[in-house]
Amino acid sequence: NAGVTQTPKFRILKIGQSMTLQCTQDMNHNYMYWYRQDPGMGLKLIYYSVGAGITDKGEVPNGYNVSRSTTEDFPLRLELAAPSQTSVYFCASSFRDAGYTFGSGTRLTVV
Amino acid sequence: EDQVTQSPEALRLQEGESSSLNCSYTVSGLRGLFWYRQDPGKGPEFLFTLYSAGEEKEKERLKATLTKKESFLHITAPKPEDSATYLCAVQASGDKIIFGKGTRLHILP
Repeated sequence: NAGVTQTPKFRILKIGQSMTLQCTQDMNHNYMYWYRQDPGMGLKLIYYSVGAGITDKGEVPNGYNVSRSTTEDFPLRLELAAPSQTSVYFCASSFRDAGYTFGSGTRLTVV
Repeated sequence: EDQVTQSPEALRLQEGESSSLNCSYTVSGLRGLFWYRQDPGKGPEFLFTLYSAGEEKEKERLKATLTKKESFLHITAPKPEDSATYLCAVQASGDKIIFGKGTRLHILP
């Protein structure tokens, strides 16, 4: 039972580069989320999706884009990476009003 | 504005020394309150969901309670393996969940 799988686990980007953080879940959850976690700041919601084809902005969406073409996959795209995007990124999934299942995270450094 | 505040920020206990972590919230229309455990370098792990004041949930040495303004995570006779960051999150109206900043718990052997 894989749960939520995130790749890559670590990545170093140069300023201005782009990348996609991958997230896939095998629990048939309809809800999926992307959070970033900075030291002492807690988890901040970037984007979320309530089902395939539907996405919405969270608290800190600037500089990111998402798509949800299938129930299983919810990739997060970073365009023109900036040092402020250095963070740990977590993908999560759930049924509505249920606890989240989180992935193990992607640690991103922008230099 | 919906807010979640956890206290203390950090807590050091001796093994076997029971204590409580606090999560106070200000939201309109609470739909659920969640507790998670996060180990260093890992994603949060779901522990409990509480839906209404007076509700309690237990798991091993952990017990979560809920009132109209706050939730407590009681830790009874903790062991070193209970050391982790404990996160509280609330779901108000809508689909989004707001997380607190967490309490770092360290249990000394």
